[in-house]
Amino acid sequence: ETGVTQTPRHLVMGMTNKKSLKCEQHLGHNAMYWYKQSAKKPLELMFVYSLEERVENNSVPSRFSPECPNSSHLFLHLHTLQPEDSALYLCASSQDQGSDTQYFGPGTRLTVL
Amino acid sequence: GENVEQHPSTLSVQEGDSAVIKCTYSDSASNYFPWYKQELGKGPQLIIDIRSNVGEKKDQRIAVTLNKTAKHFSLHITETQPEDSAVYFCAAKRDTGGFKTIFGAGTRLFVKA
Repeated sequence: ETGVTQTPRHLVMGMTNKKSLKCEQHLGHNAMYWYKQSAKKPLELMFVYSLEERVENNSVPSRFSPECPNSSHLFLHLHTLQPEDSALYLCASSQDQGSDTQYFGPGTRLTVL
Repeated sequence: GENVEQHPSTLSVQEGDSAVIKCTYSDSASNYFPWYKQELGKGPQLIIDIRSNVGEKKDQRIAVTLNKTAKHFSLHITETQPEDSAVYFCAAKRDTGGFKTIFGAGTRLFVKA
């Protein structure tokens, strides 16, 4: 158990739907991350939050909207997604933004029809 | 931009044999190199890491080597077991000028019993 949980584990949605992914870390960390994992491609960093403040947004389309209400929770709100957005979305946390080791959750497998 | 190249993309070995995965990084300021193992249905988990002031590090059956001059680093798994079957990711990170961790595309390792 990594101490980082994600829900739901699987999600199928149409292009006009609105859904949210949830991440919770029980490690007392100050930094949280969203990554997109596609087959045979490196992990793509999407967003970084440090002490509930967004510190990095890697040119992610506005149809992805992150939210960090506190240092333990991170959400990714999804709306009007495209089929190419289908992927495994991983949440991670680290003690601080500059810390070396990141702890990953199990991911949410997203399929956009 | 910075990138990390990882080879091979797929590796199949017989149980008991050794497995070697190689990575090359582009950012010469990188000074921390973690390796993650991702099993089916789980997020990546850190298995070993090395810093730029060390050339080699070993932990039981796994070892990592680093050649800073060539900007190469490798993961070595000896006496492979079926439970070593997973996807392995290398990564590179710098401590200054941004804290982003750059991941390789992954190597799917199959260990045949």
